[in-house]
Amino acid sequence: DSGVTQTPKHLITATGQRVTLRCSPRSGDLSVYWYQQSLDQGLQFLIQYYNGEERAKGNILERFSAQQFPDLHSELNLSSLELGDSALYFCASSEGFSGAQETQYFGPGTRLLVL
Amino acid sequence: AQSVTQLDSQVPVFEEAPVELRCNYSSSVSVYLFWYVQYPNQGLQLLLKYLSGSTLVKGINGFEAEFNKSQTSFHLRKPSVHISDTAEYFCAVSEFNKFYFGSGTKLNVKP
Repeated sequence: DSGVTQTPKHLITATGQRVTLRCSPRSGDLSVYWYQQSLDQGLQFLIQYYNGEERAKGNILERFSAQQFPDLHSELNLSSLELGDSALYFCASSEGFSGAQETQYFGPGTRLLVL
Repeated sequence: AQSVTQLDSQVPVFEEAPVELRCNYSSSVSVYLFWYVQYPNQGLQLLLKYLSGSTLVKGINGFEAEFNKSQTSFHLRKPSVHISDTAEYFCAVSEFNKFYFGSGTKLNVKP
């Protein structure tokens, strides 16, 4: 158990809908990272937040947005969903803002299925 | 942008045999390198990372990797694998605080 929690574990929705994925980092960690793992595109880094501020941005679509709240939990919002958005979405956390030099601890993921 | 290549999508190996999982990346600009392991239905776990210093990096579970700047490679090795090493392994590169992953190598350890 990494200490990172993600809810829900599974989510089934329809095209065009909007969903919110939630992540609670390990106690004391200030950074949260979001990743997408799909069969088509593999594992992709989406975005990093540090202490409420956006720190780094990867291949995140404009239909997707994220935020980190004062209690440090983070939400990833996916809107106008398409079939291709079906994937496993991971959240990870680390202590500081330099994700590259720190160990990231991954949650178990949220599996999203868009029908 | 970086690209990370893991040429072997699957590697079958017998228990107690040595294994090498290959990883090449595209840019020789200063980067940080990582290997992660993913067991079925779980998130990723860091095996080891190279930030600077010695090019031979030792990680958890007996794994090690060697950074070769001239060949832009970061191959993962284990001298003797166990059944419990069966998992998918991902090589990753960080550049300017963004992360790029390879397509993964499934290691299948047979008894």
